[in-house]
Amino acid sequence: DTAVSQTPKYLVTQMGNDKSIKCEQNLGHDTMYWYKQDSKKFLKIMFSYNNKELIINETVPNRFSPKSPDKAHLNLHINSLELGDSAVYFCASSQRTGANMAKNIQYFGAGTRLSVL
Amino acid sequence: AQTVTQSQPEMSVQEAETVTLSCTYDTSESNYYLFWYKQPPSRQMILVIRQEAYKQQNATENRFSVNFQKAAKSFSLKISDSQLGDTAMYFCAFSLGEYGNKLVFGAGTILRVKS
Repeated sequence: DTAVSQTPKYLVTQMGNDKSIKCEQNLGHDTMYWYKQDSKKFLKIMFSYNNKELIINETVPNRFSPKSPDKAHLNLHINSLELGDSAVYFCASSQRTGANMAKNIQYFGAGTRLSVL
Repeated sequence: AQTVTQSQPEMSVQEAETVTLSCTYDTSESNYYLFWYKQPPSRQMILVIRQEAYKQQNATENRFSVNFQKAAKSFSLKISDSQLGDTAMYFCAFSLGEYGNKLVFGAGTILRVKS
């Protein structure tokens, strides 16, 4: 069983389109994240949700909207895609509260490579 | 500002030898965690090793160990008996362990293990 799964793995689309990336974790974690890895491989946090509540919202264009229907899912919707949105997007999860909080380890999905043409 | 610096963009090592990857970080917080993640060509992010800042003892995981120098804000990764499967991009990262808990990553070091 994949612990953190993202779909799709690859996404090719035209400028101006709207697309979504889905993420699900079966680790029972209470916190989920979206990271963006640019063409130079640099990784940066975008958003984080804890028990469906948004707790991190870095400086990200408002064309990006995360949605967490429950604590096992965190989806990323992107409106009006631009060339500069081309990147690999990673979902991750961790346990922030409770007995295992001290472990503070984030587990990553396999990433979604988004190509905007 | 919280930053992570990896000063070696690329490194190579012969199979079975030892290599050390450097990392320095900057934070004014006292409670934080440090990590090394590995990203092979498959692009999966894999946790290699983790260190809690309040622990003086250096973490080890099989062939992987760290040299954690808190005063110098240095967190290097040593890979012993390098294997071809160790070829990957290695990222140093830290998180504050407080509200938010985001990972702040360095720019990465490409490690190539040669046969």
